[in-house]
Amino acid sequence: DVKVTQSSRYLVKRTGEKVFLECVQDMDHENMFWYRQDPGLGLRLIYFSYDVKMKEKGDIPEGYSVSREKKERFSLILESASTNQTSMYLCASGQGPRQPQHFGDGTRLSIL
Amino acid sequence: RKEVEQDPGPFNVPEGATVAFNCTYSNSASQSFFWYRQDCRKEPKLLMSVYSSGNEDGRFTAQLNRASQYISLLIRDSKLSDSATYLCVVKGGSYIPTFGRGTSLIVHP
Repeated sequence: DVKVTQSSRYLVKRTGEKVFLECVQDMDHENMFWYRQDPGLGLRLIYFSYDVKMKEKGDIPEGYSVSREKKERFSLILESASTNQTSMYLCASGQGPRQPQHFGDGTRLSIL
Repeated sequence: RKEVEQDPGPFNVPEGATVAFNCTYSNSASQSFFWYRQDCRKEPKLLMSVYSSGNEDGRFTAQLNRASQYISLLIRDSKLSDSATYLCVVKGGSYIPTFGRGTSLIVHP
């Protein structure tokens, strides 16, 4: 079974802090993704990566950056957290354009 | 027009009922289709892929209609544990899937 592990299930941070969300997958997948999910808005793609050190902006990259130094790890960084970044953050990995994605458990992030 | 559309529901059905959801997509070049299940405050989990000829997994049947550009999910003999949100996912040959916003199912005793 594919295992995608996110570093925290729940996280509370303060406005202006730099926040790191970590994601690790164990299936040697090339592609990794970060989404946020908010009520009524569905899943929105923040960033994705199709190879080590490669990254592409998704639909809502503003206020975020990512890092992929190793194939199995994809980090999401909130440069200066704001209250409108309070959300559920989901990491996913996948292999190839015809294969499904597999999600981590999610991180519920609250910015106070 | 949204790329992937689903009726948000909720669909409220009794145990043992048969229920079906549809999902329409706008990109005629779409190649891969999936249904995911998401429980409240949890991550989406892959329920099943959807193949051109249709496919079945126990009480669940998925079908694809390319001419009308929709996929469907049929659940037979509904269980209380089937209560969840069902997400339709479409991929057009790239690495980036497009998610529907989900259909909520509530199965009651």
